[in-house]
Amino acid sequence: ETGVTQTPRHLVMGMTNKKSLKCEQHLGHNAMYWYKQSAKKPLELMFVYNFKEQTENNSVPSRFSPECPNSSHLFLHLHTLQPEDSALYLCASSQGGWDTEAFFGQGTRLTVV
Amino acid sequence: GQQLNQSPQSMFIQEGEDVSMNCTSSSIFNTWLWYKQDPGEGPVLLIALYKAGELTSNGRLTAQFGITRKDSFLNISASIPSDVGIYFCAGQGSAGGTSYGKLTFGQGTILTVHP
Repeated sequence: ETGVTQTPRHLVMGMTNKKSLKCEQHLGHNAMYWYKQSAKKPLELMFVYNFKEQTENNSVPSRFSPECPNSSHLFLHLHTLQPEDSALYLCASSQGGWDTEAFFGQGTRLTVV
Repeated sequence: GQQLNQSPQSMFIQEGEDVSMNCTSSSIFNTWLWYKQDPGEGPVLLIALYKAGELTSNGRLTAQFGITRKDSFLNISASIPSDVGIYFCAGQGSAGGTSYGKLTFGQGTILTVHP
């Protein structure tokens, strides 16, 4: 148990569906992250929120839309995804600012059909 | 952007053997972290390094922050079957504001331990 919880653990969605991934951290951290992990690739940083402000969008397509309503919750809204978007999506949190000692959730395994 | 080269990509060892893996970069990093990921799970932080030359242990694991700040290694002594998994290095660079709040990850080392 890392203190970062992601739901759902598994998700299968069609290309025309809209779904959301949820992440919650119980560590009192101020920064939250979304990473994408595809087979045989390094973890790819998607978005960073520091103190609820988005500080990084790593050229992510607009079909991925993050939302950070408070420092404990992070969402990733998905719509009109492509099969190549199938991957493990990982949420992480850290103290924030220059402190990047990140604690990860268990991930959501997403399959786009 | 900054990149980390992690090696080896995979290792097959016998239980009881020692393991060593490393990460190198062409640019300087301020922080080095080592993670382990089990199948179907998220990465778990093993060791964090914050100073050049720092050597830190966590049980059978030892990691060092290279003096040049461009590399780090992780050693596992007397491996056991539960050491199986993917090990990632990660670092935060010093490229001014572009590194703020961001980690760069290596490609991972897949470790297999034969009983």
